Amino acid sequence: DAEITQSPRHKITETGRQVTLACHQTWNHNNMFWYRQDLGHGLRLIHYSYGVQDTNKGEVSDGYSVSRSNTEDLPLTLESAASSQTSVYFCASSDWDDEQFFGPGTRLTVL
Amino acid sequence: GQQLNQSPQSMFIQEGEDVSMNCTSSSIFNTWLWYKQDPGEGPVLLIALYKAGELTSNGRLTAQFGITRKDSFLNISASIPSDVGIYFCAGSTTSGTYKYIFGTGTRLKVLA
Repeated sequence: DAEITQSPRHKITETGRQVTLACHQTWNHNNMFWYRQDLGHGLRLIHYSYGVQDTNKGEVSDGYSVSRSNTEDLPLTLESAASSQTSVYFCASSDWDDEQFFGPGTRLTVL
Repeated sequence: GQQLNQSPQSMFIQEGEDVSMNCTSSSIFNTWLWYKQDPGEGPVLLIALYKAGELTSNGRLTAQFGITRKDSFLNISASIPSDVGIYFCAGSTTSGTYKYIFGTGTRLKVLA
């Protein structure tokens, strides 16, 4: 069955370290998204991509980067992790319609 | 950043009761979506709305796209314990971008 996976599911890191969160989907969807979820804020869009080699900044992109070298993967990199980036991160993908399929999330703690 | 105002923030209800929640925005939206998130999982789409005034059902769930295009409503009839979770609305101001602004969520707890 097609699916979207995220790894790791849990990560603890230290301030200043570079961290990469993986997102992999097997639906062959063109569109992929990264969100962070914090209490009181719902889901906020970090970066998104409409296809290979395409990346765009979302609402809260500072301190994050993505790259899209193939259809299946959109890794999210925190260049220098900060405590404010402690959050739950969700990856999602969609075809050319509005239904986004979400991964199970990665809980990141920055100490 | 822009947020949707979603209410109530949380609610406890008895099994069998009907539930209503809503989202409001200062912006006009072209599309409204309603998602449900179970603990430890990602959100799952429940209903999508594309036209002002549209009323759409999915089993015991009914959602409406407000006439002003600045609000949307979700009703759950005859709630059951598995309805527990967080319900999110999401709106898009630009068709075809597939970018959405999410509400802050309504946490629903159903008492058996």
